[in-house]
Amino acid sequence: DAGVIQSPRHEVTEMGQEVTLRCKPISGHNSLFWYRQTMMRGLELLIYFNNNVPIDDSGMPEDRFSAKMPNASFSTLKIQPSEPRDSAVYFCASSRTGSQPQHFGDGTRLSIL
Amino acid sequence: GQQLNQSPQSMFIQEGEDVSMNCTSSSIFNTWLWYKQDPGEGPVLLIALYKAGELTSNGRLTAQFGITRKDSFLNISASIPSDVGIYFCAGRNSGNTPLVFGKGTRLSVIA
Repeated sequence: DAGVIQSPRHEVTEMGQEVTLRCKPISGHNSLFWYRQTMMRGLELLIYFNNNVPIDDSGMPEDRFSAKMPNASFSTLKIQPSEPRDSAVYFCASSRTGSQPQHFGDGTRLSIL
Repeated sequence: GQQLNQSPQSMFIQEGEDVSMNCTSSSIFNTWLWYKQDPGEGPVLLIALYKAGELTSNGRLTAQFGITRKDSFLNISASIPSDVGIYFCAGRNSGNTPLVFGKGTRLSVIA
């Protein structure tokens, strides 16, 4: 079975540019989560969706970050404008329900110059 | 908010040795999960625990849900080089609340 699929795997861009990260959850999973991982702060939950509806976005750092889930098989995390401090690995995870264990994608390594 | 204290932060062990790491929570949890992350990949679920006192094994890995519901430990027996990676604990205190993650234990195995 296909796992959580994220794209791109790596992104290097200059500050000020718009960045869009993409995620395809596991088929049949109705909860989707976006995380950011850094050495200093570990894994931080940014936002999660249940049945395509955002439930909690309190982890989103600021207005420059936005996430959408237009359908059950696709989600995006957008940063506009990007800043060097946004450099991190961004993970998407999905679970069958909100209380089931989460399965992670392989992440997008983002570098903002 | 909820906090997880995971220890140790890092470990260097000889191949064949047993390993133990643990997590403690500032509040009661009803679920504990243990994940492993290899370089360049996402965390992979190792063991899930749902009941206080539960002891679950997955090959050479054994994890327990503490009786107090505020802690969990993970043991790895007879470590091998491919055990190298970062191990994360995660937990939640009710059905649909988001998982809280520990900061990870970085394991290095010396052959």
